[in-house]
Amino acid sequence: QKEVEQDPGPLSVPEGAIVSLNCTYSNSAFQYFMWYRQYSRKGPELLMYTYSSGNKEDGRFTAQVDKSSKYISLFIRDSQPSDSATYLCAMSLMDSSYKLIFGSGTRLLVRP
Amino acid sequence: DTAVSQTPKYLVTQMGNDKSIKCEQNLGHDTMYWYKQDSKKFLKIMFSYNNKELIINETVPNRFSPKSPDKAHLNLHINSLELGDSAVYFCASSQMMSPGNTIYFGEGSWLTVV
Repeated sequence: QKEVEQDPGPLSVPEGAIVSLNCTYSNSAFQYFMWYRQYSRKGPELLMYTYSSGNKEDGRFTAQVDKSSKYISLFIRDSQPSDSATYLCAMSLMDSSYKLIFGSGTRLLVRP
Repeated sequence: DTAVSQTPKYLVTQMGNDKSIKCEQNLGHDTMYWYKQDSKKFLKIMFSYNNKELIINETVPNRFSPKSPDKAHLNLHINSLELGDSAVYFCASSQMMSPGNTIYFGEGSWLTVV
């Protein structure tokens, strides 16, 4: 079993839809949780990070962490075609926050 | 002005050859990394250097040798290339002590071994 699991998709939605992307993980010691967006032929770029449990909102993006269920989510409101990309979750331990463990990514396609 | 730049972007080479990928960051970060992304998009850390010192060395074949001449540069040399080395290699950097360790990635180097 991989430490971080993510549905590869593709997930296809119409423009304007609310998108929900999810990851599950097995190591309850993870403390930092991140979402990266990766466009085709580009490097991943950080979208959001949260520490421990709770929600964090930034514009159209909301990240949620449920440590009791070992489950994290990224919600995208009013999705746009420019949101079409692969979304990677990543997480790390408190004492080795420099070592990120990534999920394999979910490919999202937003149709105009 | 690119924050993390790596060259070459594309590299096609034959089995058995030796090749290098260069990386430079202009963010003033202390820590640099090499990540490998396989065909299934799985991104995995290979090496990490902090102020020119190796701090992470995952189970990578010793054909892969990182070199950090200064904290702004981290190069990756690969000896005796094998078909399984075909992947995208990402250089990245961060400030080690920053919360959540925001990592900034380069655009990747697509290596194809034939």
